[in-house]
Amino acid sequence: DQQVKQNSPSLSVQEGRISILNCDYTNSMFDYFLWYKKYPAEGPTFLISISSIKDKNEDGRFTVFLNKSAKHLSLHIVPSQPGDSAVYFCAASDYGQNFVFGPGTRLSVLP
Amino acid sequence: GAVVSQHPSWVICKSGTSVKIECRSLDFQATTMFWYRQFPKQSLMLMATSNEGSKATYEQGVEKDKFLINHASLTLSTLTVTSAHPEDSSFYICSASPTNRESGNIQYFGAGTRLSVL
Repeated sequence: DQQVKQNSPSLSVQEGRISILNCDYTNSMFDYFLWYKKYPAEGPTFLISISSIKDKNEDGRFTVFLNKSAKHLSLHIVPSQPGDSAVYFCAASDYGQNFVFGPGTRLSVLP
Repeated sequence: GAVVSQHPSWVICKSGTSVKIECRSLDFQATTMFWYRQFPKQSLMLMATSNEGSKATYEQGVEKDKFLINHASLTLSTLTVTSAHPEDSSFYICSASPTNRESGNIQYFGAGTRLSVL
């Protein structure tokens, strides 16, 4: 049973437009959510996170939105750039005890 | 930001030999480190949680005697793949979570190690 789901395995977006990556979770004990970016043959890089007491966190071109009632979070990238092309993993943590990663979404930003 | 160093980045070995991979947190202490494995085009698979000064906690299906983990200090964890076979060929990634909670519950990842067993 997947506790963290990313239902879109891939996403293509035109350069300059907004990229929206979605993530759903099932465990109500999760209190901290993170997004990671990964290039092939490299380790994931931390992008942005959000605590369950917030509904939005913004850092430059990246914004994460959390809807606790729907157990849903999304990562918005605007404007999208070709260098953003990578696999994005959503992750959830329950008070730092467990980290659960989603299966990832491959983002392709087309020039 | 916090840096996790992992090496070697790539290792090729003969079947039957053992390979050690090191994971170091360079500018923070990590009571807990994690070891992941990634198959091509698949997500990260947690293998084990490494706790400083105690035995690692392995995920279901991961052989403890095959993948030996030692977390000898607050900045170093090692994964040894013993008697490696071609099916062990994979991309192994470590991560560390700062003991200092000011950083929140963020895991910082190493660059990964590509293991190729001939």
